[in-house]
Amino acid sequence: EVQMLESGGGLVQPGGSLRLSCAASGFTLSSYWMHWVRQPPGKGLVWVSRINSDGSSTSYADSVKGRFTISRDNSKKTLYLQLNNLRVEDTAVYYCVGDPPQSGYAFAIWGQGTMVNVSS
Amino acid sequence: QSVLTQPPSASGTPGQRVTISCSGGTSNIGRHAVNWYQQVPGTAPKFLMNNNNQRSSGVPDRFSDSSSGTSASLAINGLQSEDEAHYYCAAWDDRLNAVVFGGGTKVTVL
Repeated sequence: EVQMLESGGGLVQPGGSLRLSCAASGFTLSSYWMHWVRQPPGKGLVWVSRINSDGSSTSYADSVKGRFTISRDNSKKTLYLQLNNLRVEDTAVYYCVGDPPQSGYAFAIWGQGTMVNVSS
Repeated sequence: QSVLTQPPSASGTPGQRVTISCSGGTSNIGRHAVNWYQQVPGTAPKFLMNNNNQRSSGVPDRFSDSSSGTSASLAINGLQSEDEAHYYCAAWDDRLNAVVFGGGTKVTVL
């Protein structure tokens, strides 16, 4: 069964840090570009970051550039997102997303999401 | 304000046709594939299809998409109660170097 399982979310104070993890199974992670997409409570989807299949190239939304870092360990079949200097507006459900080869950014595989709550 | 523009809501009775529009620009829809997602409340989004003829397995034939220039649309022919959900369009944007989403359309089955 194709599955992605996020972990690492929680309650953190403004300025704090969290590390999100996403464990993949049932498909060849090393072939996929991977992304993080977030959804603030009651709002729509927002793309956060992406990493290519071997981890050599990354990109970020302007709102998180310089604060968040995406990485991957294909040997562990795991995707990561390091969140630093968190702000209240970073509060959201964070989804890890799998993007198959040559799909034109078709987000074919979604995790169940992990909630990040930034509050004092 | 989303880069891609969708109507906030759409509705219809069972069996009717509902269409959701997605308007963008030359840096996104005009150059790249438009992907459509369905999100039932309380669950993760699910990929439906795109205008590169990619379609998720199990998506009913009553769902179809089209595009022209800088606009795209998703149609549901023969609306059913289980189609009640939020629908999002998305595409890569060359100017922003980012994937951009529409604000989402809530489909209600009356």
